[in-house]
Amino acid sequence: LAKTTQPISMDSYEGQEVNITCSHNNIATNDYITWYQQFPSQGPRFIIQGYKTKVTNEVASLFIPADRKSSTLSLPRVSLSDTAVYYCLVPNSGAGSYQLTFGKGTKLSVIP
Amino acid sequence: KAGVTQTPRYLIKTRGQQVTLSCSPISGHRSVSWYQQTPGQGLQFLFEYFSETQRNKGNFPGRFSGRQFSNSRSEMNVSTLELGDSALYLCASSSGQGANYGYTFGSGTRLTVV
Repeated sequence: LAKTTQPISMDSYEGQEVNITCSHNNIATNDYITWYQQFPSQGPRFIIQGYKTKVTNEVASLFIPADRKSSTLSLPRVSLSDTAVYYCLVPNSGAGSYQLTFGKGTKLSVIP
Repeated sequence: KAGVTQTPRYLIKTRGQQVTLSCSPISGHRSVSWYQQTPGQGLQFLFEYFSETQRNKGNFPGRFSGRQFSNSRSEMNVSTLELGDSALYLCASSSGQGANYGYTFGSGTRLTVV
C-alpha cells in the first residue's frame, strides 16, 4: 500500500503564494495525482489533477516531476477563504488490487 | 444540477447494532465510492462501485459492505458496530471508474457509536 507524506499545517499571509508538497512511494502507472480541498462540515472538493509536468486551472497549479514520486500544489495569492485542509490523492496498485491513498491533509491557515 | 446527497446527516447507534447509509450520486454518474474519515486515520478508502459491481475495495473488515442499484444510488452497511466505527462517512460519485475522473463528494454522514 502506498504511503503519502504532506505537511500537517502551514500558515500564510493573504496575498502570498502557497506551495504544498505531497510525497509518495508508489503510484499506479496510468493514474493521475489529484488534490482536494475540505472545509469543516463539508466533503472534499476537487481542485486540480495532473499526470506529469505542470497543470494550471483558474484556482491552482500542480507540479509533478518526471519520476512522479511527489507533487506540489501551488495556490497563487491566497485569501482568507482558502483556509482549509488540502489532501493529495494517489492511486496505487499492488498485489493485484487498486487502492486509493489520501495524504493526512495539510491544514492551511491564511492570516490577514 | 443537484450534488451528491447523503442520508442521514447524523446517526447515533449502539455497539453491536448495524447501520445502513445512503448515497445518491450526481445524475449521470455511474461510479460511487465510499470513504471513512476520522481524526486519527484521516480519509480512508472503503470501496468503489461502478455499474452495480464492486470494482475496488480498501482494507476494511467484512463488516463493511455496500451495494449499488441500477439507478446508481448506493448504500453502505456496517454490521456489529464497534466504538471505533464512529466517523464521518463520505461518498463520492464520478462519471467513470477510478480516481482519474475526479470525485464529487457529498457532505457525509456523521456516525456516532455509543
